[in-house]
Amino acid sequence: AQSVTQLGSHVSVSEGALVLLRCNYSSSVPPYLFWYVQYPNQGLQLLLKYTSAATLVKGINGFEAEFKKSETSFHLTKPSAHMSDAAEYFCAVSGDTNAGKSTFGDGTTLTVKP
Amino acid sequence: DTAVSQTPKYLVTQMGNDKSIKCEQNLGHDTMYWYKQDSKKFLKIMFSYNNKELIINETVPNRFSPKSPDKAHLNLHINSLELGDSAVYFCASSQTGLATDTQYFGPGTRLTVL
Repeated sequence: AQSVTQLGSHVSVSEGALVLLRCNYSSSVPPYLFWYVQYPNQGLQLLLKYTSAATLVKGINGFEAEFKKSETSFHLTKPSAHMSDAAEYFCAVSGDTNAGKSTFGDGTTLTVKP
Repeated sequence: DTAVSQTPKYLVTQMGNDKSIKCEQNLGHDTMYWYKQDSKKFLKIMFSYNNKELIINETVPNRFSPKSPDKAHLNLHINSLELGDSAVYFCASSQTGLATDTQYFGPGTRLTVL
C-alpha cells in the first residue's frame, strides 16, 4: 500500500526566507509524486509532479522538488518566500494500485510573515 | 471558462435530509473523482469513475451514491445526512485516470449538517 507523511503540519517562514516542506512516501512500486497547493476557499492545483524522468522537478511559482529514492523523500523548496505563498500544501503519491488512485498527505500549512 | 465546476458552493441542511452535489468538467477528461476534506483539511478519496464506470469505491457509507450520466458529469447524492457528513466535498477530473495524471479540482462544496 502507498502512503505519504508530511513532516510538520505548520511551517512559518519570513518573507524572503527559504521554504522547505517535507514529504516522505512509502510505495511497493516506483512511485509517482505530486505537490498540490490549496489557497483559502479554493480547490487544489498542481505545483509540480515527478513521473520518473528528471529527479529534480521544477514547478510553478518558483517551487521545485527533488525525488530521492534512497531517502524515500520528495521535499518541496522555494528559495525566497512571498506573502502570496501562504496556503495549504499537499504531497501525494500514486502508482501502487491499478486504479491510478492518489493518496494524499495530511497537508502542511505555510504561513509567511512580513 | 471554468474547467471543473461544482454546484452548490454552500449547502446547509438538517440531519436526516437527502441532498445532491453536482459536478461538471469541460476538459474532455475520461476520469472523475469525489474527495472529502474534513475540518482538519485531511483529504480522502471517496469514488472515481472512468467513462461512466465506477473504478474506485473507498470505504464510504452506502448513504453516499455517485452517479455519472456521462463522462463530463459526476454527481454525489447523500441520503439521511448525519452531523459527521459536514465537510468540504471536492470533485476532480484527470485525463485518463492513470497514476501519472494530474488531477484538476473543482472549487469545493461546503456541506454543513445541523
